[in-house]
Amino acid sequence: GAGVSQSPSNKVTEKGKDVELRCDPISGHTALYWYRQSLGQGLEFLIYFQGNSAPDKSGLPSDRFSAERTGGSVSTLTIQRTQQEDSAVYLCASSLVVVGNEQFFGPGTRLTVL
Amino acid sequence: QQPVQSPQAVILREGEDAVINCSSSKALYSVHWYRQKHGEAPVFLMILLKGGEQKGHEKISASFNEKKQQSSLYLTASQLSYSGTYFCGTDPPYSGGSNYKLTFGKGTLLTVNP
Repeated sequence: GAGVSQSPSNKVTEKGKDVELRCDPISGHTALYWYRQSLGQGLEFLIYFQGNSAPDKSGLPSDRFSAERTGGSVSTLTIQRTQQEDSAVYLCASSLVVVGNEQFFGPGTRLTVL
Repeated sequence: QQPVQSPQAVILREGEDAVINCSSSKALYSVHWYRQKHGEAPVFLMILLKGGEQKGHEKISASFNEKKQQSSLYLTASQLSYSGTYFCGTDPPYSGGSNYKLTFGKGTLLTVNP
C-alpha cells in the first residue's frame, strides 16, 4: 500500500511568512509524529498524535508552531512568522499505535527561510 | 534526555564488522534502530522491547540491556548498502499519559568502502 506522504517536498519562504506542511499517514495508523532534522543533525521530536489528540505539545520549539490532525488521518504543521532558524527538514511518521511500534517515515519537507 | 551514541563515525571495508552503541541515563521501555541514507527518510531496522531481548535482521542484529539502559547494534560482514547514518531512539516506560516521546541520538555515520 501507499506509504507516508508529505507536501510540499520543498518550500522556500521569506522570513515572517506563515507556512503549512502537510502529512498523509498510512491508512489505519492511529499514531502520527512530527520531527525536525537540521542539517547534519539528529531527529528532534516535535509532537505526536494519538487519533486526533496531541496529549503533549511541549516539544514544539515555540508558540509560533502548531499542529493539528483531523479525521484521524491528515495532519498539518503550521509555522507562523517563520524565522531563519526554522530552516530544516520536517519529517512526519506514522505507526499503528503509539507505543513499541515501528514508525514509517515520510520523505520530508525541506523548509528554507530566507 | 537524548541517548548517547558511539562512535560518531566509523569507516569499514566491505566484509568487516561494526558495533554501534546507544546508552541512556533514564529507564527505558524500548529502543528503536533506524538507518538513514543521505537525502532519504529514516528506515526502520528493529525495535527491542523491555526484557533484554536480542533481535536479528539478516546480518544486522541488536541487543538491549535494560539494567544498563544500553543497546548495541551489530553489523556483520558489512555490505556497501549498509552505508548511512544509524540512529537509535529511546522511549521511557509509558503510563498512557502524555509522556510518550521517542528521543533519537545524534547518529553514527557508517561508511563502507569496497
